[in-house]
Amino acid sequence: GAGVSQSPSNKVTEKGKDVELRCDPISGHTALYWYRQSLGQGLEFLIYFQGNSAPDKSGLPSDRFSAERTGGSVSTLTIQRTQQEDSAVYLCASSLTVLAGRNEQYFGPGTRLTVT
Amino acid sequence: DAKTTQPNSMESNEEEPVHLPCNHSTISGTDYIHWYRQLPSQGPEYVIHGLTSNVNNRMASLAIAEDRKSSTLILHRATLRDAAVYYCILRVTNSGGSNYKLTFGKGTLLTVNP
Repeated sequence: GAGVSQSPSNKVTEKGKDVELRCDPISGHTALYWYRQSLGQGLEFLIYFQGNSAPDKSGLPSDRFSAERTGGSVSTLTIQRTQQEDSAVYLCASSLTVLAGRNEQYFGPGTRLTVT
Repeated sequence: DAKTTQPNSMESNEEEPVHLPCNHSTISGTDYIHWYRQLPSQGPEYVIHGLTSNVNNRMASLAIAEDRKSSTLILHRATLRDAAVYYCILRVTNSGGSNYKLTFGKGTLLTVNP
């Protein structure tokens, strides 16, 4: 079946501009996660959505970052007034549940963001 | 997530089996052992997970020691496409609700020789 999709695959933007990154999770998956990965670095958790619960935004690095998940499906990560340190690969993942033993996460291909 | 220890790198030949070890001596009774991998310039990919019994799926097998302090990911016939960094992580089930965040350590860089 279809996996997690993300768009765009690459985005080059000028410092100070806003960007929107989109994630389409696997159909039926209740949990959706955003991470980012800088070159040669590990995963950095950003935000988590689970069903109708309030999202866990604890990983968002600043108030320039926000995310929504509409209708329990598609999610958009928005970065306002981009800075060069925002350059990274932004990864979206989804999981069927968050229950132990069934919470493996399936990742999209990522959006490579470059802020010039 | 609780700590795991993996070799920094391993090498294999194409079409041979590969055994990737992971030590997790501080594992708790309800922690699941998960494996992910990341191919060059791609997002992470779920491989397999288990609790106590050995597990098989289309990608790999997971052998878990009887005391659960270690596990081994087995790729039965390595292909060039299996060259990646492999991450062994413990999914803590009693962490006050934040167990959904994935944290990768350094992992094992697997090189597959043709």
